[in-house]
Formats: sequence, C-alpha cells, structure tokens
Amino acid sequence: AQKVTQAQTEISVVEKEDVTLDCVYETRDTTYYLFWYKQPPSGELVFLIRRNSFDEQNEISGRYSWNFQKSTSSFNFTITASQVVDSAVYFCALSEGNAGGTSYGKLTFGQGTILTVHP
Amino acid sequence: DTEVTQTPKHLVMGMTNKKSLKCEQHMGHRAMYWYKQKAKKPPELMFVYSYEKLSINESVPSRFSPECPNSSLLNLHLHALQPEDSALYLCASSQGTYGELFFGEGSRLTVL
Repeated sequence: AQKVTQAQTEISVVEKEDVTLDCVYETRDTTYYLFWYKQPPSGELVFLIRRNSFDEQNEISGRYSWNFQKSTSSFNFTITASQVVDSAVYFCALSEGNAGGTSYGKLTFGQGTILTVHP
Repeated sequence: DTEVTQTPKHLVMGMTNKKSLKCEQHMGHRAMYWYKQKAKKPPELMFVYSYEKLSINESVPSRFSPECPNSSLLNLHLHALQPEDSALYLCASSQGTYGELFFGEGSRLTVL
C-alpha cells in the first residue's frame, strides 16, 4: 500500500522568508509519480508539479523549487522569498504506475500542510 | 481561471431531496473524476470515468450516482444523503492515465 506523509501540519512565516514543505512517501512500485498541489481558500486544487520515479532532477520554477531524493523517499518543496499569496494548503500526492495503465487519477494524498505567510 | 467548471458552487439540501452536481471541461481530456473532501482532510477519490465509461468506483454508497453524458461533462446525482455527506466535492480531468489532474473549484455541499 502506498502512503504519503507530510509531517508539518501548519507552518507560519513572515513574508520574504524561505520555507520548505516536507513530503515522504512509501510505495512498493518501481514506477510511480509524485505531485504537489496548492489549495487556496477558494477550494480549487492547483497543480504545481509532477515528477516520475525515473527522473531525480531537481526543478526550479520561479520562486518554487523541488528536491526529489529516491534514497530517502522524499519530495520536498521550497518556496523562496515567500509572499502572502502563497498562503494555502499544500498537498503532496503519489500515483502508482502499472503496466496496465489503470492507475488513472488514483492519487494518494498526504494530509496537507497549511502555510500562512504574514505580511 | 480554472478550465474545469463546477456548478453549483454551493448547495444546501435536505435528506429527502434529489440534486445534481455538474462538471464541465473543454481541454479534450479523456478521464474525469469525482473527489470528496471533508474539512481539513485531503481529497478522497470517489469515481473515475475514462472515455465516458465508469472505470473506478471506490465503494461509494449508491446515494451518489455518477453520470458521464459525453467526454466534456460529468454529473453527480445526489439522493437521500446524510448530514455526514456534507463536504467539498471536487471534479477533475486529466489527459491520460498518468497525467496531472486539473481540478475545478468544487461544489460545497451541506446536507441538513
């Protein structure tokens, strides 16, 4: 069975601080996909990134960066120079791949981390 | 703006009512999903449609009845719900089986 753990329930920072959201996952599959989603108060889950298990390259997109380490089963997310608009719930999620291609959108979500950025 | 549109945004219904939630996407995605999210919890998968056919039902009670009239539309028919069914219902779509999901803003349902 797969599992995603986001140990940080809530994080509070002041604007312009850097913040890292931790994500640790468990899966028996060798092929899997990891995601980060942002959920602002409006309710919509906004896709941020997908990473497959064969690609351990870190990625940077503007103020966002992701560190994927298979050796520690972690997929951490860093926001540099945080802004008030970054305040949201952030979910890390895992999708297992299989030869039949039937995993569809069966995402296993972590419990989420509530990020509050104060002005 | 989200490319997955859900209506209504808010719905209040009694336990004897029949109502429907609607979802529409125009991204040409072939898979569509219903997720349920309780307050302060992660979303939980309910149903998956692939090419307009129901492919996954996560043991959802029959008082929830999904329908996919065409590749762009997804409905969730509600009947005889319980107060514990009050939640945010999220619709999503994806291009393929491993692709990222695109979510709507959700329909917030309150059952009295």
